[in-house]
Amino acid sequence: AQTVTQSQPEMSVQEAETVTLSCTYDTSESNYYLFWYKQPPSRQMILVIRQEAYKQQNATENRFSVNFQKAAKSFSLKISDSQLGDTAMYFCAFRGSGTYKYIFGTGTRLKVLA
Amino acid sequence: NAGVTQTPKFQVLKTGQSMTLQCAQDMNHNSMYWYRQDPGMGLRLIYYSASEGTTDKGEVPNGYNVSRLNKREFSLRLESAAPSQTSVYFCASSDMGFTEAFFGQGTRLTVV
Repeated sequence: AQTVTQSQPEMSVQEAETVTLSCTYDTSESNYYLFWYKQPPSRQMILVIRQEAYKQQNATENRFSVNFQKAAKSFSLKISDSQLGDTAMYFCAFRGSGTYKYIFGTGTRLKVLA
Repeated sequence: NAGVTQTPKFQVLKTGQSMTLQCAQDMNHNSMYWYRQDPGMGLRLIYYSASEGTTDKGEVPNGYNVSRLNKREFSLRLESAAPSQTSVYFCASSDMGFTEAFFGQGTRLTVV
């Protein structure tokens, strides 16, 4: 069974600095999809970035980028120039390419400090 | 464009009461999901429906039932609520392929 592990329950970062959130996963599939979601206090789940395992190039969305290491089964999220609005819970998620289920990690609570 | 709509947003139940959480999506997605979110445990899949007419158990199905009423609607029923079912419940939908799941706003359920 696939599993997703986020080993950092809480993190903090100073405004304008860079922070990296870790995610590892376990799967025997060769192609799959990985996602980072943000959950602010409003409770809404917001997609931050996604990566297809088939593509070697790391995904980037503005200040958000990933470091995807397929052999190590690692998918970390880097937030550059952190802003107060980045304060939220962040979830890493996995979905096999031939399956329907999204498997989530336990989340990392990020606090951006002024 | 409403996306995924869940009702209600908040609910308090007494132990043993029953209730149904409603979910509807307007994105013409084939797959729909019910998750529960508990502190320190992330989102855990309760049930999912890969397509209209099918439902399957997820990681934590005990105490729940689901109905895929049509392509748009997927409901979650608690027949006899227990305090252990106090949680935030999310409905989501998606298509196949390289696409994310789209989530509703969640239902905070408290069982006393």
